[in-house]
Amino acid sequence: GAGVSQSPRYKVAKRGQDVALRCDPISGHVSLFWYQQALGQGPEFLTYFQNEAQLDKSGLPSDRFFAERPEGSVSTLKIQRTQQEDSAVYLCASSLVGRSNQPQHFGDGTRLSIL
Amino acid sequence: AQRVTQPEKLLSVFKGAPVELKCNYSYSGSPELFWYVQYSRQRLQLLLRHISRESIKGFTADLNKGETSFHLKKPFAQEEDSAMYYCALSGLDDYKLSFGAGTTVTVRA
Repeated sequence: GAGVSQSPRYKVAKRGQDVALRCDPISGHVSLFWYQQALGQGPEFLTYFQNEAQLDKSGLPSDRFFAERPEGSVSTLKIQRTQQEDSAVYLCASSLVGRSNQPQHFGDGTRLSIL
Repeated sequence: AQRVTQPEKLLSVFKGAPVELKCNYSYSGSPELFWYVQYSRQRLQLLLRHISRESIKGFTADLNKGETSFHLKKPFAQEEDSAMYYCALSGLDDYKLSFGAGTTVTVRA
């Protein structure tokens, strides 16, 4: 396929609204990652899935952040009651398996702006 | 805790000049180091990894465990090398990547 696909590319929301960001990984990739990239910073790890199992959510900044991958392919990152500090680019990446010797392939990201 | 430091936010060089991007890391175990690149209006992509010991687009990087560094070098910069470069670290057989803040490289004609 065309690689990791993320939608929407841009999202503007008012503070307090809920948002949902979608990631469609490369077909056959077992592992899926979400990263948050604040302005002027590198990506920071949020959460990791192996198939449908969320094995690591240690990077989620608060309980307002929730991610799922119910059928082991498409994943959704949901942010409830958004705050201005949630403004960032949210990157999704996938790899064949979750090992460092397997490169992670990134999507274009969703740029989230909270007003 | 794992940490990656890229001390230079911006780097400007002339075409044909050497370029070196610095990366230092902190990690208690055996690290695997990567360089990722993001060209204008493109997605983040892997440039090279230390374990492969390869040269990609003329770039090389050597892991120096004594100095905990993984600097990226190219002897003769080209205009198409202008991009944002991120150094990243993972534990061997781990899945989580830790990124530096990135260095923007501009190659001037």
